[in-house]
Amino acid sequence: AQKVTQAQTEISVVEKEDVTLDCVYETRDTTYYLFWYKQPPSGELVFLIRRNSFDEQNEISGRYSWNFQKSTSSFNFTITASQVVDSAVYFCALSGYSRYNYQLIWGAGTKLIIKP
Amino acid sequence: DSGVTQTPKHLITATGQRVTLRCSPRSGDLSVYWYQQSLDQGLQFLIQYYNGEERAKGNILERFSAQQFPDLHSELNLSSLELGDSALYFCASSVGGERGTDTQYFGPGTRLTVL
Repeated sequence: AQKVTQAQTEISVVEKEDVTLDCVYETRDTTYYLFWYKQPPSGELVFLIRRNSFDEQNEISGRYSWNFQKSTSSFNFTITASQVVDSAVYFCALSGYSRYNYQLIWGAGTKLIIKP
Repeated sequence: DSGVTQTPKHLITATGQRVTLRCSPRSGDLSVYWYQQSLDQGLQFLIQYYNGEERAKGNILERFSAQQFPDLHSELNLSSLELGDSALYFCASSVGGERGTDTQYFGPGTRLTVL
């Protein structure tokens, strides 16, 4: 069965520190997709990244970077020089085939608090 | 701004009542998804429509129903409301019909409070 584990329930750091959010997944599929979403205090869910299982290159977008390692089934997310506006709940999700259908399996989320 | 719109933003109603939540997908997207997010259960997938047809069903209660109209907007109907239905309801949309692989773009959500 597919599963996404975000073991860090809550992380608190001081502004300008680097922070890494962990995402570990389980799947038997050879083709799958991984996603990260951000949910700021205002409530909306914001898409950050989609990565397929055949692309293990790390991705960098400004202060955000993602490290995808199939060997450890992890897709970790790092924020460099964190800012207060980065405070949010971050969700990792995995595509999986189950019950004759594809579905998106969500992690429980990591609440990130950036203190000024 | 994801391009997905949801109305209303907030809804307060009483137990036993019926409400309708509305969603307009991004331009060009054919799929609409509905999710429920409550504090104790996280993000729960309810149902997906693709180009007017029901595509996949998740943990949707029988008291809840949805439809997608020819202009691709969707409505989620919640009836015989209970206190436990209080939650944030999201609509998302994607270009294709594969909810496990297509990127889903989420609307701002409707916060439903049942008193």
